Amino acid sequence: EAQVTQNPRYLITVTGKKLTVTCSQNMNHEYMSWYRQDPGLGLRQIYYSMNVEVTDKGDVPEGYKVSRKEKRNFPLILESPSPNQTSLYFCASGRVGQGGEKLFFGSGTQLSVL
Amino acid sequence: AQSVTQLGSHVSVSEGALVLLRCNYSSSVPPYLFWYVQYPNQGLQLLLKYTTGATLVKGINGFEAEFKKSETSFHLTKPSAHMSDAAEYFCAVSDRYTGRRALTFGSGTRLQVQP
Repeated sequence: EAQVTQNPRYLITVTGKKLTVTCSQNMNHEYMSWYRQDPGLGLRQIYYSMNVEVTDKGDVPEGYKVSRKEKRNFPLILESPSPNQTSLYFCASGRVGQGGEKLFFGSGTQLSVL
Repeated sequence: AQSVTQLGSHVSVSEGALVLLRCNYSSSVPPYLFWYVQYPNQGLQLLLKYTTGATLVKGINGFEAEFKKSETSFHLTKPSAHMSDAAEYFCAVSDRYTGRRALTFGSGTRLQVQP
């Protein structure tokens, strides 16, 4: 089954404690991206990757890091989480090409930073 | 810069009634347009998209949307609501000419379907 898998589903942490949210896709997609969802703001792009070892900033990259060492994985790293990073995070993947192609989303990671 | 406006953060309809969710965008060139649906505790699923060609687009679950360039709108409709349509709906646009593939989302409309 084609899917994007995120872990964990829920995460509660404290300010300053490094954490990683994993994302894996089994569709051999070149393109992967991270979004955060906040009430009233919709989804906003954090980082994206066009292929292995190719990453770039989205609209709200501050406080986040990513890596793309393998095609299937695209982890999101918070080196020193802060309360304003409390949010619902989604990973997405798709084929590289024109922007009209479908994106596949994971089920989300609800992060709370105390 | 692109932006998307969804009128009405909450819409309530009766089962069997028409569903109309409004979406307007601003963009210097016609973008790609999407509607995504998010069911509780799930990720987003693509309902339908407009890239080129026919301006009336049909999607899954009986939904359709019409691209109106003159009105910069892409409203989502369904003739008869079903209880299972209760979810949050997001309109999104994507720039045709960059590789970033970033979707600019509206703030979402939560659809309630009353029995």
